[in-house]
Amino acid sequence: AQTVTQSQPEMSVQEAETVTLSCTYDTSESDYYLFWYKQPPSRQMILVIRQEAYKQQNATENRFSVNFQKAAKSFSLKISDSQLGDAAMYFCAYRSNTGNQFYFGTGTSLTVIP
Amino acid sequence: DTEVTQTPKHLVMGMTNKKSLKCEQHMGHRAMYWYKQKAKKPPELMFVYSYEKLSINESVPSRFSPECPNSSLLNLHLHALQPEDSALYLCASSQPIRGVRGKLFFGSGTQLSVL
Repeated sequence: AQTVTQSQPEMSVQEAETVTLSCTYDTSESDYYLFWYKQPPSRQMILVIRQEAYKQQNATENRFSVNFQKAAKSFSLKISDSQLGDAAMYFCAYRSNTGNQFYFGTGTSLTVIP
Repeated sequence: DTEVTQTPKHLVMGMTNKKSLKCEQHMGHRAMYWYKQKAKKPPELMFVYSYEKLSINESVPSRFSPECPNSSLLNLHLHALQPEDSALYLCASSQPIRGVRGKLFFGSGTQLSVL
């Protein structure tokens, strides 16, 4: 099974500043999907951003962008101009191109300081 | 309609009760999932249905019994649960991997407390 590692259990950022959350994964596959999900205190899981492994260009969604390093098996999330509403647990996830299973990292709890 | 709907939102049950959790989606997704999540932990996969057939069962105790009556509905039947089964139960759906985009859509969950 693939493994997904988030080495930062907790992070904090000042409002309006930039923060980067780390994620690494282990796979022998060449084609797969990577995701960042956000889970605020409401506990609704929300998709933040998605990256297809065959695409070299890093995905961006408004203030959220990723740094996808395929050779290094690294998939970090950058949040720019942090807002109070960004405070949440963030989970990195991997999906193979050959099945329905998703593999989640252990999560990073992000605090935004006013 | 891009939603996964779960009912009930909260459930309190005794260890001898039988209850069911329900999940519905109308996005045409053919893969549906049950996850269990404890606070501050990642979701743990319990079951996956693909085209209404159980395709993954992650060695879940038999007191949890899934059912997929049709392509839009997913149930989780609960019986003789233990206090350690108290958790947030999340339903999710996705297109099978050969479909578009591959992402997982989550419901808002059922917060279960077993007394």
